[in-house]
Amino acid sequence: DTGVSQNPRHKITKRGQNVTFRCDPISEHNRLYWYRQTLGQGPEFLTYFQNEAQLEKSRLLSDRFSAERPKGSFSTLEIQRTEQGDSAMYLCASSYVTDTQYFGPGTRLTVL
Amino acid sequence: GEDVEQSLFLSVREGDSSVINCTYTDSSSTYLYWYKQEPGAGLQLLTYIFSNMDMKQDQRLTVLLNKKDKHLSLRIADTQTGDSAIYFCAEKPETSYDKVIFGPGTSLSVIP
Repeated sequence: DTGVSQNPRHKITKRGQNVTFRCDPISEHNRLYWYRQTLGQGPEFLTYFQNEAQLEKSRLLSDRFSAERPKGSFSTLEIQRTEQGDSAMYLCASSYVTDTQYFGPGTRLTVL
Repeated sequence: GEDVEQSLFLSVREGDSSVINCTYTDSSSTYLYWYKQEPGAGLQLLTYIFSNMDMKQDQRLTVLLNKKDKHLSLRIADTQTGDSAIYFCAEKPETSYDKVIFGPGTSLSVIP
């Protein structure tokens, strides 16, 4: 078991560009979560999938953000028309049923 | 409401015990967690406790839960320099789909 993996680890982009991040959960984990963490803060919940169904979205997830988990395995998080306020660490976590969430290393986004 | 609070900084000498405190507000929380984050890394699950337990011990870690006061603590015995990190307290309320609410994190500095 290699744990939760995320790619890329770092992304620098210019304001207005679109970016996409990928998360590969621990195999057989049916639940996948996205969180955002800004400097000096704890992670904040963004959205959650059970298999391929997106079951909850935070109000933090504006219409510029979209997440998918097409086959119930890996997930992508896309941010359109990035803004400087989107600069943060984006963390993915997975769990089996209602079990504990295990986190990936995160993708650090810097919007110039 | 859902809110988790922690003191932001703690400094201890190597070999001493560290105690990190946390308060939470959601009495329906079923699980309470401690995660560790080293610089530039994702979150590592340290330990968790069910809400019907008072104490859990795991090697150098002791978790105490006072459900009446909604107070959680993490004690690290014989603190080492490798324990320097940010420690996040988190709760999982019963009110939504396994969303975990994190505190702001306590930055632990271990002085050699």
